[in-house]
Amino acid sequence: DAGVTQSPTHLIKTRGQQVTLRCSPKSGHDTVSWYQQALGQGPQFIFQYYEEEERQRGNFPDRFSGHQFPNYSSELNVNALLLGDSALYLCASSATGDGYTFGSGTRLTVV
Amino acid sequence: GESVGLHLPTLSVQEGDNSIINCAYSNSASDYFIWYKQESGKGPQFIIDIRSNMDKRQGQRVTVLLNKTVKHLSLQIAATQPGDSAVYFCPGADGLTFGKGTHLIIQP
Repeated sequence: DAGVTQSPTHLIKTRGQQVTLRCSPKSGHDTVSWYQQALGQGPQFIFQYYEEEERQRGNFPDRFSGHQFPNYSSELNVNALLLGDSALYLCASSATGDGYTFGSGTRLTVV
Repeated sequence: GESVGLHLPTLSVQEGDNSIINCAYSNSASDYFIWYKQESGKGPQFIIDIRSNMDKRQGQRVTVLLNKTVKHLSLQIAATQPGDSAVYFCPGADGLTFGKGTHLIIQP
């Protein structure tokens, strides 16, 4: 049974560019949450998707947007990248009665 | 709102000793608590959970204690091994607030 799969594992982008990160949830999970984790910090909640809609959002600017597809997979988009967006981006899937399962993340470096 | 915090950013223990990592929460209505372990280069991994109707729950080499009176929970790791070296988090049950975590360092 596959867990949460994230792609790509590493990515280097230039300031001002746009990036799309992808997440496939654990089998049986219908909810996807995205987190940003800066070095030495805990994960910061970005937003959560359920039934293809954003259900909850953390304190992140509109440059961060997402999408959930009918198969429950999800994308995180970040526009107009800043150096401060460099971080590990984690995806976690969940379902009612089952806790959060995290992927290994995408390491984004903005130069 | 709920906030969770870990008492120490870094905890260093000798291999074979027991480790205790502490966490405080502010929302007395919280009814479910989870501990996660995050090894270098990986995402957080579920270790153990506990519901508010329990004071203690044991897993393999890990025990979580919940003190609702002082809104405190702890993670005890018995006979600490090098593989226990990681950052430990106790986010709110909604998974929204992780805090900085406690970095457990195992000394040989």
